[in-house]
Amino acid sequence: DAGITQSPRHKVTETGTPVTLRCHQTENHRYMYWYRQDPGHGLRLIHYSYGVKDTDKGEVSDGYSVSRSKTEDFLLTLESATSSQTSVYFCAISGLPGQGAHEQYFGPGTRLTVT
Amino acid sequence: AQSVTQPDIHITVSEGASLELRCNYSYGATPYLFWYVQSPGQGLQLLLKYFSGDTLVQGIKGFEAEFKRSQSSFNLRKPSVHWSDAAEYFCAVGAPTGTASKLTFGTGTRLQVTL
Repeated sequence: DAGITQSPRHKVTETGTPVTLRCHQTENHRYMYWYRQDPGHGLRLIHYSYGVKDTDKGEVSDGYSVSRSKTEDFLLTLESATSSQTSVYFCAISGLPGQGAHEQYFGPGTRLTVT
Repeated sequence: AQSVTQPDIHITVSEGASLELRCNYSYGATPYLFWYVQSPGQGLQLLLKYFSGDTLVQGIKGFEAEFKRSQSSFNLRKPSVHWSDAAEYFCAVGAPTGTASKLTFGTGTRLQVTL
């Protein structure tokens, strides 16, 4: 158990509303990631963080923003949700102090439905 | 840019039979390679990883994978499948440069096990 949780686990929201998903870790991993999983696409990286207040874009970042104000929390925000953002969102972590960054451990996921 | 191909979308094997799931990658040098497993409604669990050295790597749950540079492949194998192995399997490639580990995933292979 890598000590990673996501909230909420399920959410239904309407088009045009803002949505924030939270990823919380308890083991001081340096790196945190947000992916979305869609049928036929596998997992695709949205944004990632390499430290507090340090973030960068991934493959499918349009329409998403992130923030990391403390080590343990990484927030993903959909400023104005669209139906194309209906997906399962996974948070991942890597990089314990003194360890490499390249093994990622995944949270349980958040199923988001935009109606 | 790195990419991963999992040519088999769905595979069915009988319990006790051997298993091989195919993974081909595209990357300019020797990448970091991973296999993850996802049970329905769950997050992804790391099965095994290859960074360097011995090209045959052992993982959890009796799985192994072999890195073949000449074929750009990293196929997953198990000598005798159990019904509990039914799940979706994802191959991923990561660049061994930089700090954060930005993984690129294949589209997955769904394994069905018949009794």
